[in-house]
Amino acid sequence: DVKVTQSSRYLVKRTGEKVFLECVQDMDHENMFWYRQDPGLGLRLIYFSYDVKMKEKGDIPEGYSVSREKKERFSLILESASTNQTSMYLCASLPTPGGSGTSGSYTQYFGPGTRLTVL
Amino acid sequence: KQEVTQIPAALSVPEGENLVLNCSFTDSAIYNLQWFRQDPGKGLTSLLLIQSSQREQTSGRLNASLDKSSGRSTLYIAASQPGDSATYLCAVKGGTASKLTFGTGTRLQVTL
Repeated sequence: DVKVTQSSRYLVKRTGEKVFLECVQDMDHENMFWYRQDPGLGLRLIYFSYDVKMKEKGDIPEGYSVSREKKERFSLILESASTNQTSMYLCASLPTPGGSGTSGSYTQYFGPGTRLTVL
Repeated sequence: KQEVTQIPAALSVPEGENLVLNCSFTDSAIYNLQWFRQDPGKGLTSLLLIQSSQREQTSGRLNASLDKSSGRSTLYIAASQPGDSATYLCAVKGGTASKLTFGTGTRLQVTL
């Protein structure tokens, strides 16, 4: 089974702190994604990466950055956390058809989520 | 810009009932449509994926249909059970990009 893990289930930080959210997948998938989920707004894409060291902005990248130094790991960074970044953060991975990570069906696999509270 | 809407936002049904969840999207040029399930405080689990060339997909008690021209999809759940209680999200993938656009979900409660 595909497994996507996130470093923390719950996280509490203070305004202005630098925050790192880590995501690791074990199926050699090329593509990885970071979403945030808020009541009434659904899931919104923050950033995604289609290969090591490659990144693309999603719909709401402001206030965030990402890092993908290794294929299995995709990190979301809040340079200076603010209260409006309190949210549920979800990571996902997706194989590329014909790519090396072809295990599993062609669908996004999600981690369990990190509920971040910024005070 | 693609927009995905799910109606109703919440639904409560007694155990054993058949039910339909609705999803509509504004841009019919989609690559595929997926239905996901999300339990409280958890990540998403893919239930069904329908390619743009398909009309429906079935898995057990679940049946998802797709009418691309009208921008609609439905998720039919037969003989609902309390374990079906969760939030159901639909998401569309446009063109060849890997990005998904999600609806805001329907929160389903199946009561005893």
